[in-house]
Amino acid sequence: KNEVEQSPQNLTAQEGEFITINCSYSVGISALHWLQQHPGGGIVSLFMLSSGKKKHGRLIATINIQEKHSSLHITASHPRDSAVYICAAPGETSGSRLTFGEGTQLTVNP
Amino acid sequence: EAGVTQFPSHSVIEKGQTVTLRCDPISGHDNLYWYRRVMGKEIKFLLHFVKESKQDESGMPNNRFLAERTGGTYSTLKVQPAELEDSGVYFCASSPLMASYYEQYFGPGTRLTVT
Repeated sequence: KNEVEQSPQNLTAQEGEFITINCSYSVGISALHWLQQHPGGGIVSLFMLSSGKKKHGRLIATINIQEKHSSLHITASHPRDSAVYICAAPGETSGSRLTFGEGTQLTVNP
Repeated sequence: EAGVTQFPSHSVIEKGQTVTLRCDPISGHDNLYWYRRVMGKEIKFLLHFVKESKQDESGMPNNRFLAERTGGTYSTLKVQPAELEDSGVYFCASSPLMASYYEQYFGPGTRLTVT
């Protein structure tokens, strides 16, 4: 069992749909990164969160510390949202390495 | 404030050649991490510098990989000689020494293709 598990692995949606990607983790203290990897390979950090909810544009990330679970939501999805979404959990001490999920390949069709 | 930068963005080399990747962390960040994602697998940790010292290099796959951070500023990751299985995207991240334990700021990555 991976220490950071994402679901689903692949997700295809129609433009405008509401998207949810889930991440469960068993490592470290409760905090999480959400990252977006573009088809060209480049990575963008979307959120770092340790409690509650964060929102940036059409993206919303939530975390449930007790359950060690986080979700990434995309509202009004668009084809340009097509990418791999990756969650990563830190270790228990400052400066610890991140442990990554396998990623969710999202394809949004027009 | 400039973010983490990496150079080159893409490198294509032949098996057996040498490649050096560079990472410039955010100014003042003492923590610097290297990660990589090879095809079909999750991103994996390679190593962690604190200033110029290697804090944790347990993720380095073998002795063909050499990371340095002279002067505690930018870091280089050299692969010599490169093998086909080294192809992937290499990321670095940085954080301040006294950062919140989960803070890391990522560079855009270098895509390495070994043919």
